[in-house]
Amino acid sequence: EVQLVESGGGLVQPGSSLKLSCVASGFTFSSYNMHWIRQAPKKGLEWIALIYYDSSNKYYADSVKGRFTISRDNSKNTLYLEMNSLRSEDTAMYYCAKFGTTGFDYWGQGVMVTVSS
Amino acid sequence: DVVMTQTPVSLSVSLGGQVSISCRSSQSLVHNNGNTYLSWYLQKPGQSPQLLIYKVSNRFSGISDRFSGSGSGTDFTLKISRVEPDDLGVYYCGQGTQYPPTFGGGTKLELK
Repeated sequence: EVQLVESGGGLVQPGSSLKLSCVASGFTFSSYNMHWIRQAPKKGLEWIALIYYDSSNKYYADSVKGRFTISRDNSKNTLYLEMNSLRSEDTAMYYCAKFGTTGFDYWGQGVMVTVSS
Repeated sequence: DVVMTQTPVSLSVSLGGQVSISCRSSQSLVHNNGNTYLSWYLQKPGQSPQLLIYKVSNRFSGISDRFSGSGSGTDFTLKISRVEPDDLGVYYCGQGTQYPPTFGGGTKLELK
């Protein structure tokens, strides 16, 4: 059974940093591109970052470029999202998602990040 | 970026009824490889999104045949027949043809 379990969220002040983790199981993590997608409260889905299966390429949404860094450790089956210079508009539920040939086929349960003073 | 527009924003249905949700993209979703990477997702209350349909009309593993997708180019439709209580939630279309991936604004399916 495929499982993606995020952690690391919380309440932080504007300008601070946070690092999210997503532990994967039930599939060959090192063979798949992985993504982070977020959802602001009562809003829709916003893709924010992609990392290739071998970390050779990384892509970011303009809204987070230069502030967020996606990375992975295939030996630990873990995906990361390091978030710096956090703003109130970064407040959202953050999901890691596996991308197969079918689309975003598996999503984690999400981790909440709240940026507020 | 490709803009995905879903209509309607909300929909009321009786159990056992049928509904259709429309999704329109600002650009053709036909990839250079000939595939059309248009997917449909359902987010049930308090849960993360789940994949229902991929590449326009293919049901993901374990998805009921009450769900069907159709369309081409820039216009796509999700149909749900014989609606059940477990079908309620917010439906999103999403495209993976062009980067960045983008999603529609969502259609909330509620009971009449």
